[in-house]
Amino acid sequence: GAVVSQHPSWVICKSGTSVKIECRSLDFQATTMFWYRQFPKQSLMLMATSNEGSKATYEQGVEKDKFLINHASLTLSTLTVTSAHPEDSSFYICSTEGIRRDYGYTFGSGTRLTVV
Amino acid sequence: AQTVTQSQPEMSVQEAETVTLSCTYDTSESDYYLFWYKQPPSRQMILVIRQEAYKQQNATENRFSVNFQKAAKSFSLKISDSQLGDAAMYFCAYRRRGGTSYGKLTFGQGTILTVHP
Repeated sequence: GAVVSQHPSWVICKSGTSVKIECRSLDFQATTMFWYRQFPKQSLMLMATSNEGSKATYEQGVEKDKFLINHASLTLSTLTVTSAHPEDSSFYICSTEGIRRDYGYTFGSGTRLTVV
Repeated sequence: AQTVTQSQPEMSVQEAETVTLSCTYDTSESDYYLFWYKQPPSRQMILVIRQEAYKQQNATENRFSVNFQKAAKSFSLKISDSQLGDAAMYFCAYRRRGGTSYGKLTFGQGTILTVHP
């Protein structure tokens, strides 16, 4: 089945530094990748949609310069949290449509980011 | 814009019993998909069941079934013979079919399900 590998699973960084999160589709090509943010016991909030070879589309209220998304190939999409602050601490999840685009979505296992 | 509402923040059920999770949605579209996802403590999102709006027949997947009421814009999930492994946060989600943003999922607020032994 379709698998999305997300790394790292957790990361702790200091305020002001940048952190990169990677999502790789292992056995299929992911034309589109969705990036979500989730706070404890809350729903997933869509941050942005990336398409291979083009600029990402950000949801309203999401800072483009803080959350840099790159989708350089059909198997890799990255989210970089720049100049991280404690309020950026959250759980980040990537997702893409699987092999059958109308069936459902494949989610990465998530990244827990803690900024200290 | 589409919205999805789960009005039950928390639910509980005894092992082997049946529980129903509620979901309503609002859309002006006629063709769309509805999903239920499960997020256990590992936080890995798992697809439980999906429903195509043009199908009148309610979807079923083993112990999981839905009650899809298109006119009422209601999409509830019934879990029969509940198991301890069913304990998780459940999300109802909507996706339109076709159009430029057809790939985007809209999630409800989630329902935390506790299963008591």
